[in-house]
Amino acid sequence: QLQLQESGPGLVKPSETLSLTCTVSGGSISSSTYYWGWIRQPPGKGLEWIGSIYYSGSTYYNPSLKSRVTISVDTSKNQFSLKLSSVTAADTAVYYCARQRLSKEWLLSHFDYWGQGTLVTVSS
Amino acid sequence: QSALTQPASVSGSPGQSITISCTGTSSDVGGYNYVSWYQQHPGKAPKLMIYDVRNRPSGVSNRFSGSKSGNTASLTISGLQAEDEADYYCSSYASSSTLHWVFGGGTKLTVL
Repeated sequence: QLQLQESGPGLVKPSETLSLTCTVSGGSISSSTYYWGWIRQPPGKGLEWIGSIYYSGSTYYNPSLKSRVTISVDTSKNQFSLKLSSVTAADTAVYYCARQRLSKEWLLSHFDYWGQGTLVTVSS
Repeated sequence: QSALTQPASVSGSPGQSITISCTGTSSDVGGYNYVSWYQQHPGKAPKLMIYDVRNRPSGVSNRFSGSKSGNTASLTISGLQAEDEADYYCSSYASSSTLHWVFGGGTKLTVL
């Protein structure tokens, strides 16, 4: 059974960089059929797609966050990571990592496995 | 590109059927059959309920069904049960040069 687990600091100071890692177990991150994504959810609000990465390093980012986001992959560790720079209180959210299926046309499709999520609070 | 539009809330009594709509544009919902729906209980991670407009993952009850007409996708839950009370989110591939994935704003389902 595939499992994803987010890890990283739960508290980040304003203007600093938020860094999270997602460790994948029970399957290979190097599968050709999937991207690997980050999604966040501010308290009491809806889901927001941050971006997704292929095992080769190809990435797609949400344009509203693109200038501050870097997603990377480490296939040797079966992990992918998120960095979000210059954070403010508005970046306080539960951050989820998830596996995203590729369609037959090589387009992004659904998220089928999710991590449990990790709350990151931005505060001094 | 804006989030897909969902009603903020819907409600129904046990045993009834409800439908949640998800309206986008021809660049997302209307243009591709990559609409998916997620159920989220409080404090839990989202769970995939429907993918590619109308397909159910293994283990999801057949009381959940999906459809699409034009730029609007719909999730129907029949035979409502207390455990269906949750937030529901639609999502879709988006064919913008910059945005490639979009979520709806979410709908709170209350089982009366």
